[in-house]
Amino acid sequence: RKEVEQDPGPFNVPEGATVAFNCTYSNSASQSFFWYRQDCRKEPKLLMSVYSSGNEDGRFTAQLNRASQYISLLIRDSKLSDSATYLCVVSGTGSARQLTFGSGTQLTVLP
Amino acid sequence: GAVVSQHPSWVICKSGTSVKIECRSLDFQATTMFWYRQFPKQSLMLMATSNEGSKATYEQGVEKDKFLINHASLTLSTLTVTSAHPEDSSFYICSARAEDYSYNEQFFGPGTRLTVL
Repeated sequence: RKEVEQDPGPFNVPEGATVAFNCTYSNSASQSFFWYRQDCRKEPKLLMSVYSSGNEDGRFTAQLNRASQYISLLIRDSKLSDSATYLCVVSGTGSARQLTFGSGTQLTVLP
Repeated sequence: GAVVSQHPSWVICKSGTSVKIECRSLDFQATTMFWYRQFPKQSLMLMATSNEGSKATYEQGVEKDKFLINHASLTLSTLTVTSAHPEDSSFYICSARAEDYSYNEQFFGPGTRLTVL
């Protein structure tokens, strides 16, 4: 079983749509959680951290359920510029706090 | 935010050549840097954790004699792919953790695309 699992997609949605991504992780001792976005042939960029209480940043809402080991990302009012691959990332328990990346969910927002 | 650079951004070389990739933190000091590899349509896979002034810690399955890592200063880590072969062709990305920023945030370099002929 992969440490971080995501639905690979692709998700093709029209502009203005709401889209949700899900992610599960296997290590119950994981400490920190993130969503990154990666554009084609570019490095990943931090989109937002995910907190147990849930957090929102503009059109983006992230949720964490530690009991279910489940993380979600909701994008409202999708823009063309949201087209990218969204990576679910979990921080390990080692002293170096390595990041473990999911395989990513590809999103294409269509005009 | 903190800026990390990588050089070169791309390289094409013949099989058997050694290739050196540099990763620099431009406006902060990084005691810990990470090296990742990403094959097409796959996610980033951690290769090794690089600590300034000490030996790198390699992930299982990564050959330390093939992927030499040197972290000689707080702003520079290098990855040398020795005797590269076509199967080493990949997107190599480094990241650095800035201790002055949030506890776990890593800042990524723009990546180096290696093609071995």
